[in-house]
Amino acid sequence: DAGVIQSPRHEVTEMGQEVTLRCKPISGHDYLFWYRQTMMRGLELLIYFNNNVPIDDSGMPEDRFSAKMPNASFSTLKIQPSEPRDSAVYFCASTSGAGELFFGEGSRLTVL
Amino acid sequence: AQSVTQLGSHVSVSEGALVLLRCNYSSSVPPYLFWYVQYPNQGLQLLLKYTSAATLVKGINGFEAEFKKSETSFHLTKPSAHMSDAAEFFCAVSETPYDKVIFGPGTSLSVIP
Repeated sequence: DAGVIQSPRHEVTEMGQEVTLRCKPISGHDYLFWYRQTMMRGLELLIYFNNNVPIDDSGMPEDRFSAKMPNASFSTLKIQPSEPRDSAVYFCASTSGAGELFFGEGSRLTVL
Repeated sequence: AQSVTQLGSHVSVSEGALVLLRCNYSSSVPPYLFWYVQYPNQGLQLLLKYTSAATLVKGINGFEAEFKKSETSFHLTKPSAHMSDAAEFFCAVSETPYDKVIFGPGTSLSVIP
């Protein structure tokens, strides 16, 4: 399997612009997680899905953030409008529920 | 609520020396515990996991961790550090194998030649 695939790997945008991050989980994995990593706050869980349904979105910072999983092979994390403090590495991870998360290589977002 | 603390944001050891990375957890139920490693510009990958079987868990690359319920600890060790071990290490906790995984702040390991 190709592993968890995230795109784009790098994104530089200006404040106020919409940002969309994409994730393709490993086939057969029915849990998908979005994490954000920063130096100041470490790894934060934003939201996770089970069978395409959001289970816990308590980590989503505010209404500017939204996540969707329209099918088992695709998820998006959208930030609108983006702010400089959103600059971070965003990771997607998937699992079949056996306790091991498989991470993508991350999307590094810079908001100027 | 579950949480993880890692003592020492940065640990430096000499090549060939013992590696000890500390992790303490808080959980209202018997926890599932994990150690993940992150190399520069990469995602995290699992080193080892504890799921209520043996208290001493062996992982990849010679790492192992011991679950101590009385101390609420899950420290990671390796008898002899190698240069390739330099990375960021994260301890994590989950209340079930199907639940969200909460990560500690991480410990950066440097290995001195």
